Amino acid sequence: QSVVTQPPSASGTPGQRVSISCSGSSSNIGTNGVNWYQQLPGTAPKLLIYNNNQRPSGVPDRFSGSKSGTSASLAISGLQSEDETDYYCAAWDDSLNVLVFGGGTKVTVL
Amino acid sequence: EVQLVESGGGLVQPGGSLRLSCAASGFTFGTYWMSWVRQAPGKGLEWVANIKQDGSEKYYVDSVKGRFTISRDNAKNSLFLQMNSLRAEDTAVYYCASGFSTHDYWGQGTLVTVSS
Repeated sequence: QSVVTQPPSASGTPGQRVSISCSGSSSNIGTNGVNWYQQLPGTAPKLLIYNNNQRPSGVPDRFSGSKSGTSASLAISGLQSEDETDYYCAAWDDSLNVLVFGGGTKVTVL
Repeated sequence: EVQLVESGGGLVQPGGSLRLSCAASGFTFGTYWMSWVRQAPGKGLEWVANIKQDGSEKYYVDSVKGRFTISRDNAKNSLFLQMNSLRAEDTAVYYCASGFSTHDYWGQGTLVTVSS
């Protein structure tokens, strides 16, 4: 069981807004920034959001991140078919001295 | 263009060893922490280890401590993962990635299969 918890699945119709939660503890999300990764099938993960809410260059502004206390969330607005894939949150854990990934959320576009 | 290219994966028997390499180009390798992240077939991402720019600090996930060693050669822009006493549960695609905990760049991964 992951130290950081994500729902295994989320879904929405094209154009809708989908939100993915990421729940941790005071030693990881509560203290450190949260990053989000998108992983298309058969490819390496791609950094989508860093430090809770920052988008790397080239990431559409449809993707946004937020954090409150020991939880974080990724929102995808204007859902598109190409958004159908896996998403992972991650944060450094100061107690364990490891990077903890959430178990991943598969987003389905209905 | 930033490139991270892993090599060294393959089939190994339980208890065996493998050394993974990651060749970096397109960025100033020596100024970055570097990490290894793995993904078992059909499973999620698992961070394995990271190493400071000068190699003076290293961190490992508990499941590999004492068996895996991360190292680097800044003169050759290369990252390594020496894996000993391999177990079936180490079977995964191993990615090298830049950064301490924020991974901007990723390699394409190399598959390690531990099986008899």
